[in-house]
Amino acid sequence: AQTVTQSQPEMSVQEAETVTLSCTYDTSESNYYLFWYKQPPSRQMILVIRQEAYKQQNATENRFSVNFQKAAKSFSLKISDSQLGDTAMYFCAFMNGGAQKLVFGQGTRLTINP
Amino acid sequence: DTAVSQTPKYLVTQMGNDKSIKCEQNLGHDTMYWYKQDSKKFLKIMFSYNNKELIINETVPNRFSPKSPDKAHLNLHINSLELGDSAVYFCASSQGLQGSPRYGYTFGSGTRLTVV
Repeated sequence: AQTVTQSQPEMSVQEAETVTLSCTYDTSESNYYLFWYKQPPSRQMILVIRQEAYKQQNATENRFSVNFQKAAKSFSLKISDSQLGDTAMYFCAFMNGGAQKLVFGQGTRLTINP
Repeated sequence: DTAVSQTPKYLVTQMGNDKSIKCEQNLGHDTMYWYKQDSKKFLKIMFSYNNKELIINETVPNRFSPKSPDKAHLNLHINSLELGDSAVYFCASSQGLQGSPRYGYTFGSGTRLTVV
């Protein structure tokens, strides 16, 4: 079974700083997809960024980018120029290419301080 | 124009009661899911339905029964509620017969269930 591990339960940075959230996963599959979801205090789950395993290029979405290391099974999220609105729980998630469920990590609580 | 809507958003009930949570999506997606988020924020899949057919049924007590009257709706009925059922329950949907890995899921805003 696939597992996703986020080793940082909590992180805190100052506004405008850059922060990197870690995620590792375990799978024997070669075709899969990785995601980062954000859950602000409003509770809504918001897709931040996604990466297809067959793509070597790291995904970017504005201030959010990933460092995808397939051999190391690592998928970290970098948030540049952090903003107060980035304060949230961040979840790393994995899905097999042929599977039907997202498997989530334990989450990292990120706080951006003014 | 909500994509995945759940009702109610909050539910407080006594042990032993039966309750339902409703979910509707207007995205035209084929697959719908129920996830449970516990007090430590861990998210785990409970069920998935594809076009009204049960696809995934994780190790969930049979007090939990999903029902999908059509592919746009997936409701969750819970019998004989227990204290340990207190959690946030999320409905989600995805495109395609086996989800759409490329795009992930669209989630509802969650239902916080509190059993007292």
